[in-house]
Amino acid sequence: ELKVEQNPLFLSMQEGKNYTIYCNYSTTSDRLYWYRQDPGKSLESLFVLLSNGAVKQEGRLMASLDTKARLSTLHITAAVHDLSATYFCAVGRDDKIIFGKGTRLHILP
Amino acid sequence: EAQVTQNPRYLITVTGKKLTVTCSQNMNHEYMSWYRQDPGLGLRQIYYSMNVEVTDKGDVPEGYKVSRKEKRNFPLILESPSPNQTSLYFCASSSKTGGVEAFFGQGTRLTVV
Repeated sequence: ELKVEQNPLFLSMQEGKNYTIYCNYSTTSDRLYWYRQDPGKSLESLFVLLSNGAVKQEGRLMASLDTKARLSTLHITAAVHDLSATYFCAVGRDDKIIFGKGTRLHILP
Repeated sequence: EAQVTQNPRYLITVTGKKLTVTCSQNMNHEYMSWYRQDPGLGLRQIYYSMNVEVTDKGDVPEGYKVSRKEKRNFPLILESPSPNQTSLYFCASSSKTGGVEAFFGQGTRLTVV
């Protein structure tokens, strides 16, 4: 059974600091996604990672994938308040997509 | 503009009264799916569809039905809603299950009393 675990589930951090969100999954997967959700809003796609060693960056966010460790990370560099949101990773296997529980990120000015 | 449209956005209903939440996409995507989002549980997949007339169960299909008669539409049907189906529902579509981002609808907040 494919399970996806994110940690931490809650994160409060100061502006300007760096931090990493971790996403572990239990079985082999075809692809891994990162999404952002603002309060009361829908989900916005951030990254899709398809192969071992894949790294993608957009602004202050960088995602990487290690398929051997079954681990993806979302790294936040020099956080700013606008990045406050809930971040989800999701793992695809065959035709199903399983989401983690999300990491609620609160960035303090 | 590429989009996934869900209706209604908000719905309050009574136990046992059949309801349908519609989902439509304008991107000619093959893959569509429904999720429910509950506090502390993240998103859980209810049903998905690989193409017209092809549907399959996700992780939490009990109490739900879907149909895919046209490529653009993927309605979610609750034949006899119960309070434990109170949740926030999202429809999503993508051109294939791998390698392409999914587009999500704006969500439907359903309350069953």
